[in-house]
Amino acid sequence: DAGVIQSPRHEVTEMGQEVTLRCKPISGHDYLFWYRQTMMRGLELLIYFNNNVPIDDSGMPEDRFSAKMPNASFSTLKIQPSEPRDSAVYFCASSFAASEQYFGPGTRLTVT
Amino acid sequence: GENVEQHPSTLSVQEGDSAVIKCTYSDSASNYFPWYKQELGKRPQLIIDIRSNVGEKKDQRIAVTLNKTAKHFSLHITETQPEDSAVYFCAASRPLEYGNKLVFGAGTILRVKS
Repeated sequence: DAGVIQSPRHEVTEMGQEVTLRCKPISGHDYLFWYRQTMMRGLELLIYFNNNVPIDDSGMPEDRFSAKMPNASFSTLKIQPSEPRDSAVYFCASSFAASEQYFGPGTRLTVT
Repeated sequence: GENVEQHPSTLSVQEGDSAVIKCTYSDSASNYFPWYKQELGKRPQLIIDIRSNVGEKKDQRIAVTLNKTAKHFSLHITETQPEDSAVYFCAASRPLEYGNKLVFGAGTILRVKS
């Protein structure tokens, strides 16, 4: 398996623009997680899905953030409108049940 | 909710020495404690984990100990090598029936000087 796949790897956008981050989990995994990593706040869980259903979105910072998982092999994290404080590395991770979470390579987002 | 505190925030050791990183957690229901290593510009990767039914687990130069009563767990790296230099994160989570949510510590920057 290729592991968790994320795209794009780098995204630079201007404030106010819509940003969409994409993730393909490892085949057979039933949990998918979106994390945000910054120097100030560390590694934060934004939302996670089980069998494509959002279970806990309490980490989503505000209504500008939304996430979807239309099927078992694809998820998106959308920020609209983006702000400079959204600049961070966004990781997607997947797991099978309560086993190890495998992280993707991350998307480095810069909002100017 | 769960809160995980990690110490120290930075740690410098000489090559060949041991390194110890400590974490405390607040939720007594937590039963799974993984440790992740993140090299600069890379993704976090699991290096070892422990569940609450054991007190210690070892994998070559890496070991983790768990004290459920005191609600703390530690990572021990022996015979450190320059390639051990990275950021290490501890985490904790509750049993699956309560949700599959990892709460991470703030991380420890480990520098191994050769």
